[in-house]
Amino acid sequence: AQSVTQPDIHITVSEGASLELRCNYSYGATPYLFWYVQSPGQGLQLLLKYFSGDTLVQGIKGFEAEFKRSQSSFNLRKPSVHWSDAAEYFCAVDYDYKLSFGAGTTVTVRA
Amino acid sequence: DGGITQSPKYLFRKEGQNVTLSCEQNLNHDAMYWYRQDPGQGLRLIYYSQIVNDFQKGDIAEGYSVSREKKESFPLTVTSAQKNPTAFYLCASSSPGGNTEAFFGQGTRLTVV
Repeated sequence: AQSVTQPDIHITVSEGASLELRCNYSYGATPYLFWYVQSPGQGLQLLLKYFSGDTLVQGIKGFEAEFKRSQSSFNLRKPSVHWSDAAEYFCAVDYDYKLSFGAGTTVTVRA
Repeated sequence: DGGITQSPKYLFRKEGQNVTLSCEQNLNHDAMYWYRQDPGQGLRLIYYSQIVNDFQKGDIAEGYSVSREKKESFPLTVTSAQKNPTAFYLCASSSPGGNTEAFFGQGTRLTVV
């Protein structure tokens, strides 16, 4: 079945440390891929997207993501986390005009 | 300013009542979406529409209905058939084709009392 999987429900990271959030998808062909961030009680904001071309994409707020076709993955990374990065992060795919999301990963940043 | 507006922000409903959530966009987007968000379950797609007067069921359409009579509006009705309607509802819009960003409203929190 087609799906988007975020294996980590919750990640705690120290401020200044690196962060990696995992995303795997299961589709017959490579879908369009996105990462969104959500602050509590708010809508979602796009961090970055991948459609084609360079497999390492840069986004806002210092985030980047790498597309790996062989692993059906699109992992999000940030080299040095700031306290303001505490939020919920969603991986999403747009396939056949349908936009679907993973279950999300909550990131807690400790001082 | 262009954007997508959901109203109301908070909504309370008695059991057995239908309630309609509003979603309006002035981004000239053809595609619009409704999602339900529950803790630990991410965003689940309820309905989506790629063009006026046409819409498709998402993954959890039972107990919900929509209409798309105008390009800028995509209201969602939560019917009495929805067994567990208490949730956070998000509306989004995008240009069709998949290779564009979706813009989200601020959400409506529905509580059944």
